[in-house]
Amino acid sequence: ETGVTQTPRHLVMGMTNKKSLKCEQHLGHNAMYWYKQSAKKPLELMFVYSLEERVENNSVPSRFSPECPNSSHLFLHLHTLQPEDSALYLCASSLETSSHYEQYFGPGTRLTVT
Amino acid sequence: GNSVTQMEGPVTLSEEAFLTINCTYTATGYPSLFWYVQYPGEGLQLLLKATKADDKGSNKGFEATYRKETTSFHLEKGSVQVSDSAVYFCARLDSGYSTLTFGKGTMLLVSP
Repeated sequence: ETGVTQTPRHLVMGMTNKKSLKCEQHLGHNAMYWYKQSAKKPLELMFVYSLEERVENNSVPSRFSPECPNSSHLFLHLHTLQPEDSALYLCASSLETSSHYEQYFGPGTRLTVT
Repeated sequence: GNSVTQMEGPVTLSEEAFLTINCTYTATGYPSLFWYVQYPGEGLQLLLKATKADDKGSNKGFEATYRKETTSFHLEKGSVQVSDSAVYFCARLDSGYSTLTFGKGTMLLVSP
């Protein structure tokens, strides 16, 4: 039980669809992250939210739109995706009270774009 | 920049064999170091960590020692099990930053 849940676990969508990925953490953390994990590539950090403010956006295309309404919830809104966006999308959270905060990951959403 | 380099896999071992997965990091700053494990179909789980030089992290029979002189954080286990089959990621977290830098991951396959 990681304390970080993600829904849905699997998603298949066409290039013209709009969908959202949801992440929820039950750990009392105040920072949340989206990562993309593609086959044969390192984990790519997409977005970081600290205290509900976006603090990092690593040149992610605008077809990915994050939303953090409160410290427990994080969304990734998807629209007009491309087949190369197919990947495992991982959410993580941490407690930023020191300089050595650990990140706890959810199980991921396996996204397939057709 | 700050980076982490892991040995390429897959690493294939028989049950009860000794495991080493190498990890080195660039010698910039004073990072904390982590090993994460990803079992098939799941997200990443923190396996162990070390926050300063000479610290040893350990969990579930796995160990890694933060070696500043060799900028290494190699993962070891004395006797692997089939259930240890997974992908292992070495990562660093630099002071003042909230983001982890991951290595590419090393797949471990343990056969009975």
